Amino acid sequence: EPEVTQTPSHQVTQMGQEVILRCVPISNHLYFYWYRQILGQKVEFLVSFYNNEISEKSEIFDDQFSVERPDGSNFTLKIRSTKLEDSAMYFCASRHELAGASYEQYFGPGTRLTVT
Amino acid sequence: AQTVTQSQPEMSVQEAETVTLSCTYDTSESDYYLFWYKQPPSRQMILVIRQEAYKQQNATENRFSVNFQKAAKSFSLKISDSQLGDAAMYFCAYRRPDWGGSEKLVFGKGTKLTVNP
Repeated sequence: EPEVTQTPSHQVTQMGQEVILRCVPISNHLYFYWYRQILGQKVEFLVSFYNNEISEKSEIFDDQFSVERPDGSNFTLKIRSTKLEDSAMYFCASRHELAGASYEQYFGPGTRLTVT
Repeated sequence: AQTVTQSQPEMSVQEAETVTLSCTYDTSESDYYLFWYKQPPSRQMILVIRQEAYKQQNATENRFSVNFQKAAKSFSLKISDSQLGDAAMYFCAYRRPDWGGSEKLVFGKGTKLTVNP
């Protein structure tokens, strides 16, 4: 069964460094999302992406964050200058395009980001 | 803004017994989708069940069923014949319809379910 994959599974970085989290959505999906989950807290929406542009973003998704679909398979989240409070589990999700088709968002296993 | 509330941080159930997890939500929309996601220790979130608000019939998926009370804005999950593999965090989530312009899932804080052998 097709699945969303994410790399790396765990990333440790120093405060102020740039990180790129990578996701490979399911191949025939065209809607992509990033969510994050700070330890012990709820999952929060960051951004949605469709047709090579951001369709919605949350207040969390400030100028330090960016997303990109550099090729036909990868979907990346970049944090330019990490802060301690960016430490969290980051989940990528994807969804099929067709309205009326399955509107389920399929989640990847997550990348645990630790900022020291 | 839509909010989702799960009032039970933790629940436990004996194997083979039935447990109900609660979820309430707040929205001014008349059409929307509701979901229960399971997050086992491996951390990958898996969809358990979904409910379209326009459907009066409660969704069921094998041992999982929901009690959807639209007027009360309540969406509880019932797990029958609980199994050890059901132990996980369970998140209730809300989503507006596609034409609403917002595809994001709004999650509750989750309920940690423990299944005792």
